[in-house]
Amino acid sequence: AQSVTQLDSQVPVFEEAPVELRCNYSSSVSVYLFWYVQYPNQGLQLLLKYLSGSTLVESINGFEAEFNKSQTSFHLRKPSVHISDTAEYFCAVRVNNAGNMLTFGGGTRLMVKP
Amino acid sequence: NAGVTQTPKFQVLKTGQSMTLQCAQDMNHNSMYWYRQDPGMGLRLIYYSASEGTTDKGEVPNGYNVSRLNKREFSLRLESAAPSQTSVYFCASSEFRGLGSPLHFGNGTRLTVT
Repeated sequence: AQSVTQLDSQVPVFEEAPVELRCNYSSSVSVYLFWYVQYPNQGLQLLLKYLSGSTLVESINGFEAEFNKSQTSFHLRKPSVHISDTAEYFCAVRVNNAGNMLTFGGGTRLMVKP
Repeated sequence: NAGVTQTPKFQVLKTGQSMTLQCAQDMNHNSMYWYRQDPGMGLRLIYYSASEGTTDKGEVPNGYNVSRLNKREFSLRLESAAPSQTSVYFCASSEFRGLGSPLHFGNGTRLTVT
């Protein structure tokens, strides 16, 4: 079974600073990778996804993630964060097998300070 | 367009009581899911329904039952609540159960079992 590890449970950062949220997965087969964001008292929303093709994927609000097959990673980055980016971020993996289930990491709480 | 609607938003139960969490989606999606979210553990799949008329166990199905009432509605039932079931429950839907099909989440039900 696949697993997803988000190495940091909390990441405090000042506004306009760059940030990287780390995600590693374990799977020996082809994977499909997702980042979801959860704002307070809300459900999760899809931020971006990697299915195939270019290993660098971008979201509409300035986040990007790079699929690195050799390091089995899918880290999320943003060059300059805003207060409104404060939220919890979840990395998720889907493997091409009979179950096709989505497995989530434990989440990283991004706290942007003024 | 409401998306995925969950009721109730909050619930407190005593050990041994039963209740049903309701979920409805208006996006004509085929697949629906129930997850629970616990601190540091991300989201774990309880049950899912790949299409109307089918249901399957996820990662943590013990103590729960589900009903796919029709294409729109997917309910989760706790027959005899236990304190270990204190959690935030999320319903989600996707157009297909396919690898690239993103999940759309409701805003969650916060359940406390005393």
